[in-house]
Amino acid sequence: EPEVTQTPSHQVTQMGQEVILRCVPISNHLYFYWYRQILGQKVEFLVSFYNNEISEKSEIFDDQFSVERPDGSNFTLKIRSTKLEDSAMYFCASSVGSTAGYGYTFGSGTRLTVV
Amino acid sequence: GQSLEQPSEVTAVEGAIVQINCTYQTSGFYGLSWYQQHDGGAPTFLSYNALDGLEETGRFSSFLSRSDSYGYLLLQELQMKDSASYFCAVSPGGYSTLTFGKGTMLLVSP
Repeated sequence: EPEVTQTPSHQVTQMGQEVILRCVPISNHLYFYWYRQILGQKVEFLVSFYNNEISEKSEIFDDQFSVERPDGSNFTLKIRSTKLEDSAMYFCASSVGSTAGYGYTFGSGTRLTVV
Repeated sequence: GQSLEQPSEVTAVEGAIVQINCTYQTSGFYGLSWYQQHDGGAPTFLSYNALDGLEETGRFSSFLSRSDSYGYLLLQELQMKDSASYFCAVSPGGYSTLTFGKGTMLLVSP
């Protein structure tokens, strides 16, 4: 069964450092997302991406965050200057269609720890 | 803004039936989704309701009442592997962006 692949699975970084989280969505999916989940809390939307541009972003997704699809397969989330409160599990997801009824396929996540 | 309410924890025994409720308040509404998450792993898509009524997928069913801003996930013939967190999520806009509830931890005992 096709899956969304995320790397690395764990990342520890010092406050103020830049991190890049990587994702390979399912090949025939057109809609890509980043969500995050602080330990024990709900899954929060960060950004959606379609046709090589951001479709929607949340208040969390400020100027410190950026996304890119550098080639036909990878989808990255960059945090320029990490803060302690950025510590969370970051999930990439992809979907074949533009409505929620298609369902997301989530990756296994990258656990980011900022120290 | 959007808010979703669901119980924090539900317990049941193997073979039983359990219902997880979700009420929502949103500025816009296109549909209600349900996701399952085991031990903080990848959430997996279970179901989606855009219209009122019951949708059945195997042992799982999902119900929506748009007029009541309410839905539920029904799990039948519970198995130990169903122990997980279950999240309801709304689509407030035309895109598929989801707003998740805080999740319900289901504990299934023998």
